[in-house]
Amino acid sequence: DAKTTQPPSMDCAEGRAANLPCNHSTISGNEYVYWYRQIHSQGPQYIIHGLKNNETNEMASLIITEDRKSSTLILPHATLRDTAVYYCIYAGGTSYGKLTFGQGTILTVHP
Amino acid sequence: DTEVTQTPKHLVMGMTNKKSLKCEQHMGHRAMYWYKQKAKKPPELMFVYSYEKLSINESVPSRFSPECPNSSLLNLHLHALQPEDSALYLCASSQDRTPGTQYFGPGTRLLVL
Repeated sequence: DAKTTQPPSMDCAEGRAANLPCNHSTISGNEYVYWYRQIHSQGPQYIIHGLKNNETNEMASLIITEDRKSSTLILPHATLRDTAVYYCIYAGGTSYGKLTFGQGTILTVHP
Repeated sequence: DTEVTQTPKHLVMGMTNKKSLKCEQHMGHRAMYWYKQKAKKPPELMFVYSYEKLSINESVPSRFSPECPNSSLLNLHLHALQPEDSALYLCASSQDRTPGTQYFGPGTRLLVL
């Protein structure tokens, strides 16, 4: 199973940037890094994904290190509604579509 | 329409009952998924359907029986469940060419008595 390592919890002040790290040292060359989040009592929500290059969309930015063994999800201006469990996942190749969720990071955004 | 709907929202069933969970999407996605999520745990993949054919079964007990009648609909038939099967059951869908980008429904919260 694809394993990632994330801190169990993080705090962030509202309006500040939230930087969530993830280690994925066993990632293969054809595997993508995905980030999802799950707000309490809802289904997971796709945020962003990338292979090698940094990516940005309307929700977040994804920074992937050059060796691809770690990444950081950046929420540029966190709001209270960003309080959720954030999951970093890698998948691709023959396991493409088979998402293995780890324990994730509980991000709490404070007023 | 980027919504995946699931019915019912809540379900209580006895160990001898037969029930079904339903999932629907109208995004034209050809891959659909069932996940199980126990309280305070991450979602775990159960089944994957691709073009209405079962492509992945993660060694799920036979008391869970998936069905994909058409490209928009996914069912999970439940029979003779155990109390430890109580969980949130999540459905997801994706385009076949981007299977890692999955859209999840809100889930069905199942309680087995």
